[in-house]
Amino acid sequence: EAGVTQSPTHLIKTRGQQATLRCSPISGHTSVYWYQQALGLGLQFLLWYDEGEERNRGNFPPRFSGRQFPNYSSELNVNALELEDSALYLCASSFLAGGSDTQYFGPGTRLTVL
Amino acid sequence: LAKTTQPISMDSYEGQEVNITCSHNNIATNDYITWYQQFPSQGPRFIIQGYKTKVTNEVASLFIPADRKSSTLSLPRVSLSDTAVYYCLVGTPEGGKLIFGQGTELSVKP
Repeated sequence: EAGVTQSPTHLIKTRGQQATLRCSPISGHTSVYWYQQALGLGLQFLLWYDEGEERNRGNFPPRFSGRQFPNYSSELNVNALELEDSALYLCASSFLAGGSDTQYFGPGTRLTVL
Repeated sequence: LAKTTQPISMDSYEGQEVNITCSHNNIATNDYITWYQQFPSQGPRFIIQGYKTKVTNEVASLFIPADRKSSTLSLPRVSLSDTAVYYCLVGTPEGGKLIFGQGTELSVKP
């Protein structure tokens, strides 16, 4: 069974630009989660999508947004990039929405903002 | 809002049992506790999940006391390949937040 995939692996942008990150969940999973892992700050919950809807978000400004497509894949958009947005962005998927469901993580997209 | 606290680092030797504790004083009634392992430049990998008491699988055990304000991940007889960062995750998406601990860097020595 294929795991969670993310693209691109690496992304380099300059301040003020926009970045788009993509995630394909495990087949059959309907929930997708996005996390930011910045150096020294651990994993921070960003967004949760389920059945095409944004269900919840963490403490991030509105310039972090995304969507989930009918095939349950997801896209994370970061507008007006700032230097501190440089981080590893991780996507995870689960079969059922809810905290008791195991989240399976992808390898991440390394975003570097210059 | 559950805040989680873990030791920053731990050292062990091959063949020893390792116990990593996560404190989550404000855990909510519906929150589950999940532990992940992460190697450099990889996404976290699920280890074990529990709600209360004890859970055991083929790689680890998870002990959760009655008040659920902490949890302990137990790795039996660690090997060099267990050198990684271990995270506890507390919460439910519906609860609004998913809170990861800051991670415990486990170093296993020969």
